Amino acid sequence: DQQVKQNSPSLSVQEGRISILNCDYTNSMFDYFLWYKKYPAEGPTFLISISSIKDKNEDGRFTVFLNKSAKHLSLHIVPSQPGDSAVYFCAASEGGNKLVFGAGTILRVKS
Amino acid sequence: DAGVIQSPRHEVTEMGQEVTLRCKPISGHNSLFWYRQTMMRGLELLIYFNNNVPIDDSGMPEDRFSAKMPNASFSTLKIQPSEPRDSAVYFCASSLWGAGVNTDTQYFGPGTRLTVL
Repeated sequence: DQQVKQNSPSLSVQEGRISILNCDYTNSMFDYFLWYKKYPAEGPTFLISISSIKDKNEDGRFTVFLNKSAKHLSLHIVPSQPGDSAVYFCAASEGGNKLVFGAGTILRVKS
Repeated sequence: DAGVIQSPRHEVTEMGQEVTLRCKPISGHNSLFWYRQTMMRGLELLIYFNNNVPIDDSGMPEDRFSAKMPNASFSTLKIQPSEPRDSAVYFCASSLWGAGVNTDTQYFGPGTRLTVL
């Protein structure tokens, strides 16, 4: 049973436009959420995170939104750049140091 | 500042052979994680250690898989005997876990791509 779901396997966006990647979770005990980015032949790298006490966290072009009632979070990238093309993983934890990852979404930013 | 180091980067072996993957976590980190990535299942946690002690190995698929962490700077993941369905990319990650510290951010190595023929 997948506790963290990324229902869109891929997303294609034009350079300069907004990219929105979505993630849903089922475990109401999750209290910390992260996004990782992965390029081919490399390990995932940490991008941005959010605690359950917040509903928004922003870092430059990247913003993560959390809707606890809907058990949904999203990552917004504005403006999207070709270098943002990668696989994006959503992850969640429930207070410990164990993360549960989604299956990932492939983002392609077209120039 | 060195990140997580994994070796080898690529491993090709024949079914039935023993495979050993190696990981050196970031210095000072006290938690270490082994993941497997496949197209079908994405990133799966196999096992993790806190302070060199295995905490959760519920993700280890079979008895053919074993992991050790003899000290704070080294861990191994062994598959014996290997099977073609073990072909995947195996990642090691580490984090600094403890009171007052962001406990959830893990730092990944580059991975080992394993192919079992």
